[in-house]
Amino acid sequence: EVQLVESGGGLVQPGGSLRLSCAASGFMFSSFSMNWVRQAPGRGLEWVSYISIGSSTIYYADSVKGRFTISRDSAKNSVSLQLNSLRAEDTALYYCAREGYSGTQQDYWGQGTLVTVSS
Amino acid sequence: SYVLTQPPSVSAAPGQTARTTCGGDNIGGKAVHWYQQKPGQAPVLVIYDDSDRPSGIPERFSGSNSGNTATLTISRVEAGDEADYYCQVWDSFSAHYVFGTGTKVTVL
Repeated sequence: EVQLVESGGGLVQPGGSLRLSCAASGFMFSSFSMNWVRQAPGRGLEWVSYISIGSSTIYYADSVKGRFTISRDSAKNSVSLQLNSLRAEDTALYYCAREGYSGTQQDYWGQGTLVTVSS
Repeated sequence: SYVLTQPPSVSAAPGQTARTTCGGDNIGGKAVHWYQQKPGQAPVLVIYDDSDRPSGIPERFSGSNSGNTATLTISRVEAGDEADYYCQVWDSFSAHYVFGTGTKVTVL
């Protein structure tokens, strides 16, 4: 069974940092690209970042570029998102999602980890 | 940047058909995916590549895509289909994934 479990969320002050992690199991992690998607309270889904197989290709949404860094560790079957220079508008539930084997769909999602940026 | 527009809400009576749309410039040239999100839950993929269903998704869910509009159709609507539905594409020009604004489907 495919499982994605996010962790690392919490309350942080504006300008602060957090590191989110997503532990993957139940599939060959090294063969799939991964994404982070966030959802602000009461709002829609917003794509945040993408990392390809082998980390050769990385993309970021304009809203987080230069502040967030995605990475993956195939030895630990995990993908991480380093969040720096956090702003109030970064407050959201952050989901880790697996990209489909042959497309751009997100076929499995974790349950999310909540990041709250507030003083 | 590429924008996907969805109606805020759609409603249908049980047993009837609910349709929701996803508008975007020449979206017919892109692969469209649809997600269902129930309150307090993570999104679930219900349609990928315009019209394919993942295993476990009922045949009542179908999709189409042409021109500037993609459509998600839920036939024989059930109370359990009540949820928010989001479309999504990959925009190769900007190298961004894009989600639609979301539609709340209400079963009357």
